[in-house]
Amino acid sequence: DGGITQSPKYLFRKEGQNVTLSCEQNLNHDAMYWYRQDPGQGLRLIYYSQIVNDFQKGDIAEGYSVSREKKESFPLTVTSAQKNPTAFYLCASSMVINSNQPQHFGDGTRLSIL
Amino acid sequence: QQQVKQSPQSLIVQKGGISIINCAYENTAFDYFPWYQQFPGKGPALLIAIRPDVSEKKEGRFTISFNKSAKQFSLHIMDSQPGDSATYFCAARLLNYGGATNKLIFGTGTLLAVQP
Repeated sequence: DGGITQSPKYLFRKEGQNVTLSCEQNLNHDAMYWYRQDPGQGLRLIYYSQIVNDFQKGDIAEGYSVSREKKESFPLTVTSAQKNPTAFYLCASSMVINSNQPQHFGDGTRLSIL
Repeated sequence: QQQVKQSPQSLIVQKGGISIINCAYENTAFDYFPWYQQFPGKGPALLIAIRPDVSEKKEGRFTISFNKSAKQFSLHIMDSQPGDSATYFCAARLLNYGGATNKLIFGTGTLLAVQP
């Protein structure tokens, strides 16, 4: 089955620690996205990538970093500079050229502070 | 101007009733308006979507009504069922955001509870 796999489902971060969230897709989508979801605030865009080896900051990129070395993979690192990392993180993907294609989401990673 | 305002924040409907969720926007550059459904612990899933040249789109029990002049759109769930209980997000796509053609701006979500 084609889809987006996020891992782990739950993650705990200690003070001063960087943690990396995994996102893999087998939909052959060009574009991939990372969102942060907080209660009552909807989804906010952290980073997006339209093509391998290229990515752009979204609306709340501070304290996060990404890489796009393969089309299928778009890992997100939550750095120690992100002072409020507790949230539900969602990865999504879509075709870029065909403007009628929606974004497909994974089932998220819930990050908490120890 | 990039915001999408969604209301209500929460909604309780009796089984068989009609659920209505409203969204409003300001930016006329938005060109595509999807609705997503999210169950607890899961990612959002596309429910139904509409383009601004259409005033209404229906898929089964779900209907989007779109008022371009008022810059408003709404989701109607007919014959609401307990299995419809979820969080619903409206969204609007911003054309040509820094070269990306698929940037979505999300509303803040509506938690729907359908009582049996």
